[in-house]
Amino acid sequence: AQSVTQLDSQVPVFEEAPVELRCNYSSSVSVYLFWYVQYPNQGLQLLLKYLSGSTLVESINGFEAEFNKSQTSFHLRKPSVHISDTAEYFCAVSDYGGSQGNLIFGKGTKLSVKP
Amino acid sequence: NAGVTQTPKFRVLKTGQSMTLLCAQDMNHEYMYWYRQDPGMGLRLIHYSVGEGTTAKGEVPDGYNVSRLKKQNFLLGLESAAPSQTSVYFCASSYREVGGYTFGSGTRLTVV
Repeated sequence: AQSVTQLDSQVPVFEEAPVELRCNYSSSVSVYLFWYVQYPNQGLQLLLKYLSGSTLVESINGFEAEFNKSQTSFHLRKPSVHISDTAEYFCAVSDYGGSQGNLIFGKGTKLSVKP
Repeated sequence: NAGVTQTPKFRVLKTGQSMTLLCAQDMNHEYMYWYRQDPGMGLRLIHYSVGEGTTAKGEVPDGYNVSRLKKQNFLLGLESAAPSQTSVYFCASSYREVGGYTFGSGTRLTVV
């Protein structure tokens, strides 16, 4: 069975500082990996995804994540955060071609960016 | 705008009452899902559907039923609401089994 562990439930950071949100997964098969963002009182939006190819994937708003198979990790990073990045971030995994693509979500990390 | 629409957005039920949550998507997606979100628990899959007329149980199906009579709609029913079903419910859809989901904006349900 797959599982996702987000190691930090809350991450406070000052504006313009770098941030890393950690995500580890467990699976006995190859996986697809995703990061979703949820702004207050909204649904989840896809931030970025790893399906295959380059292990470094980027989003349009400056976030990036690197798939590390040996460490079973998919950490999310941003070199300089903005107030507007304050949100909850969810890491998710789907096994390769199985389970009808059901995503297994981590419990979320609340990123709080302070001025 | 194309996407996933959930109705209603808010609802308060009394214990024992029933209700149906509606999810509609206009992207011709095959796969549809119902999740519940609770503080500190992330999102947990209730039921899902891989096509019109098909449904399957997810991680937390007890107390819920679903139907997918039309490809674009996925209904979630609560037959006899309980306070433990107080949650935010999200519907999602996807074109195929991978590639990420499109989520609705959620239904906030309170059972008193």
